[in-house]
Amino acid sequence: QQQVKQSPQSLIVQKGGISIINCAYENTAFDYFPWYQQFPGKGPALLIAIRPDVSEKKEGRFTISFNKSAKQFSLHIMDSQPGDSATYFCAAETSGTYKYIFGTGTRLKVLA
Amino acid sequence: GAVVSQHPSRVICKSGTSVKIECRSLDFQATTMFWYRQFPKQSLMLMATSNEGSKATYEQGVEKDKFLINHASLTLSTLTVTSAHPEDSSFYICSAVGPSGDSPLHFGNGTRLTVT
Repeated sequence: QQQVKQSPQSLIVQKGGISIINCAYENTAFDYFPWYQQFPGKGPALLIAIRPDVSEKKEGRFTISFNKSAKQFSLHIMDSQPGDSATYFCAAETSGTYKYIFGTGTRLKVLA
Repeated sequence: GAVVSQHPSRVICKSGTSVKIECRSLDFQATTMFWYRQFPKQSLMLMATSNEGSKATYEQGVEKDKFLINHASLTLSTLTVTSAHPEDSSFYICSAVGPSGDSPLHFGNGTRLTVT
């Protein structure tokens, strides 16, 4: 019940295309859902995050779609660029615990 | 703002020795920090919660005598891997609760530990 399932494991997208990564959770106590981007040899950096009171949040080329009833959320990267090539992790937290449950990661490669 | 710095970024040590990794919050005070371990191409696994001025809380399965955590000040937490063995080789990452006291967590750049 504490797991966050992430898919796909890897993704190849052409430059300018849309990258879509999906996550699903079981624990309804989760109420904070961040997405992190990680480059090789670096720590994760926050991209965008959402709380269940909204169904979508957009920041630049990054959009989170959130489906509370289905307990699913997804990251959309519009106009994907080679510089977006990295590993992306979704996470879930029950506010105040700071115990992030991370997904298994998606390795994105954007072809030039 | 909310920068978390880790040092060293890479360390190689011999089996049986101990290694200390530092995690600092550069521009804010962090009463709570977290230590993670990440194996190649895998996700981050929480090892322990580091609380300033008190004992760390370890996750199930993490040996507290092997992974010593000290959070002696509001800006510094240290992780000491004692009597390191090759299987301890991994990427260790710390994070801190930001100045607002709320999410998101801010992560350091990690430390690559190689035990030979």
